[in-house]
This record gives sequence, C-alpha cells and structure tokens, in this order.
Amino acid sequence: QVHLVESGGGVVQPGTSRRLSCAVSGFTFRNYGMNWVRQGPGQGLEWVAGISHNGSVVGYAASVKGRFIISRDNSNNALYLQMTSLKSEDTAVYFCARDRMVAARHWFDPWGQGTLVTVSS
Amino acid sequence: DIQMTQSPPSLSASVGDSVTITCRAAQDIDNFLNWYQQTPGKAPKCLVFSGSTLENGVPSRFSGRGSGTDFTLTISSLQPEDFATYYCQQSFSIPYTFGQGTTLDIK
Repeated sequence: QVHLVESGGGVVQPGTSRRLSCAVSGFTFRNYGMNWVRQGPGQGLEWVAGISHNGSVVGYAASVKGRFIISRDNSNNALYLQMTSLKSEDTAVYFCARDRMVAARHWFDPWGQGTLVTVSS
Repeated sequence: DIQMTQSPPSLSASVGDSVTITCRAAQDIDNFLNWYQQTPGKAPKCLVFSGSTLENGVPSRFSGRGSGTDFTLTISSLQPEDFATYYCQQSFSIPYTFGQGTTLDIK
C-alpha cells in the first residue's frame, strides 16, 4: 500500500529555518516525481515545489523561490523541503504528494496527511 | 501564472441531488485539468485527471468534462460522503495552480 508520511512541522520563529521530510513506502520512489503543496489556515491549496524522479529538475512557486529548496534521497525513499527565512505567511499544513503523469498530464496521488508549520514569534 | 477560478464558492444540496461545479482557466490549458476532493482535516484526494478520466476507485457518479478554458465536475446522486470541498488544478504549466475551492454542504 502506498504511504506518505510527513514530519518536521512545529512552531518556528520568523526568519528561521526548518526542514520537512516525507517518508514514502509501497512504491518505487525513484520512478516518480514528487511535490509539496501547502494549505494555510482556512485557506485553499497552494503548490509549493516539485522535483523530478531523479532530482534533476525542480520547480518552485514564486512565493517561496529563493527561500525553499526541494530535494530527495532515492536511496532512503525520502523527500525533503528545506525552508529558510520563514515568514508568518508560510504558516500552513504542508503535504507531500506523488506526481503521476500520463502523456505529459500531471496529477497528484496520493497525498500524505500533512505536517503543520506555524511561523510565529 | 495561470489563474483558476471556481464557481460557486459554496453550494448546498441534499442527498440524491445532482450538482455541477465549474472551473475556468485564464488561458487555454487543453485538458491539463484535475479535480480533488478534500474533507475536513484530511488530505486531498484526486478524483479526476486529464479533464475527464476518473482516478481508480472513484465512483462513477463523478464525472469531469471540458477542454480549453472551461471545465465542470458533476456529481450525480449525491451521497453523504460527497459533502466536502472540491478543488480544480491545472497542470499545463508550473506553477500548478489550484482554484480557490468549492465547499459542498448538506442543505
């Protein structure tokens, strides 16, 4: 069974850093792209970052570009999101999601349960 | 960035009703359009990808249509578990933007 489990959330001060992790199981991790999506309190979904199956291609939302880095360790079936210079507007539940693709059409399935990051002094 | 606009923002219906949610893209996205369902406190789940293809295990009462800029998600014969928030998402270009969501609640 495919399983994604995020960790690393918590309360952090503005301007500091935090690394999120996503541990995956139940599928051949190195064959799939991965994504981070976040959801602010009472808000909708915002795609944050994505990474190709081998890590060679990455992409970011403008709101996090230059502050966040997505990476992966295919040997350990893990996805990461290194977040720096955190702002209050980064407060959200962060989900990792597997990237599925057919004929260049991408969709996200499944998703982890999310980890909450609260940026507050 | 491609802006995605959903309507209505919220919708009330009864079990057994049929409802349609609309999603409009700010530019032509062919059929690079997905629909997700999210219940409170849970992760989103993909219902439809590529505009009209049901994800495995999704009941046939869900259907997606559209291409270009205008898309719909129709749920026929609503069941209690269908009351949730629905999001569209374009995967035509990065960043993969979502609509603002449509909350479907029980009348």
